[in-house]
Amino acid sequence: GQQVMQIPQYQHVQEGEDFTTYCNSSTTLSNIQWYKQRPGGHPVFLIQLVKSGEVKKQKRLTFQFGEAKKNSSLHITATQTTDVGTYFCAGYGTGANNLFFGTGTRLTVIP
Amino acid sequence: NAGVTQTPKFQVLKTGQSMTLQCAQDMNHNSMYWYRQDPGMGLRLIYYSASEGTTDKGEVPNGYNVSRLNKREFSLRLESAAPSQTSVYFCASSGRDLLLGNEQFFGPGTRLTVL
Repeated sequence: GQQVMQIPQYQHVQEGEDFTTYCNSSTTLSNIQWYKQRPGGHPVFLIQLVKSGEVKKQKRLTFQFGEAKKNSSLHITATQTTDVGTYFCAGYGTGANNLFFGTGTRLTVIP
Repeated sequence: NAGVTQTPKFQVLKTGQSMTLQCAQDMNHNSMYWYRQDPGMGLRLIYYSASEGTTDKGEVPNGYNVSRLNKREFSLRLESAAPSQTSVYFCASSGRDLLLGNEQFFGPGTRLTVL
């Protein structure tokens, strides 16, 4: 079955350092979405990427979809304490009716 | 506009007891989903409903049943709870065409403990 893996599982950074999480799928994805979950909260949608090689930015966050549409990354520049949480990627397989969520990367920012 | 609501927020059950988790959305979305979240496992799909009147199994459906009562409501039932069902349960909804891929809106979650 389809699998979506994320690395690293955990990341601790000093405030101001950069952070990157990587997402890899065992199959080609029709699109990929990213979600953020604050501690004790629920996942909240951040962005969707559809095109091969697509890059999107939201302020300090940069999202990338791989050329083969099997991997993606989220990069945060100059982390802040408000960035704390778990970041999930989630993808629709080609022809699939539901999202497959990655295992998540839990980010801790040390002030 | 409340978005996605879930009840209850917390529940403790004994092994073998049954219960129903309720979910409702007010965004006129066609699709609704039930996930469970366990530490280190991410979100795993239990059941989903692509539209009113239809339901389909997800990745981990065993031990659960669902009902899409109407367009707004999608309930999840545990007929005979087991300790392995201790988890956080999230309901989500999304609109538009499934194949286009579209964002999911999540409820606040139900924290279930089975003793």
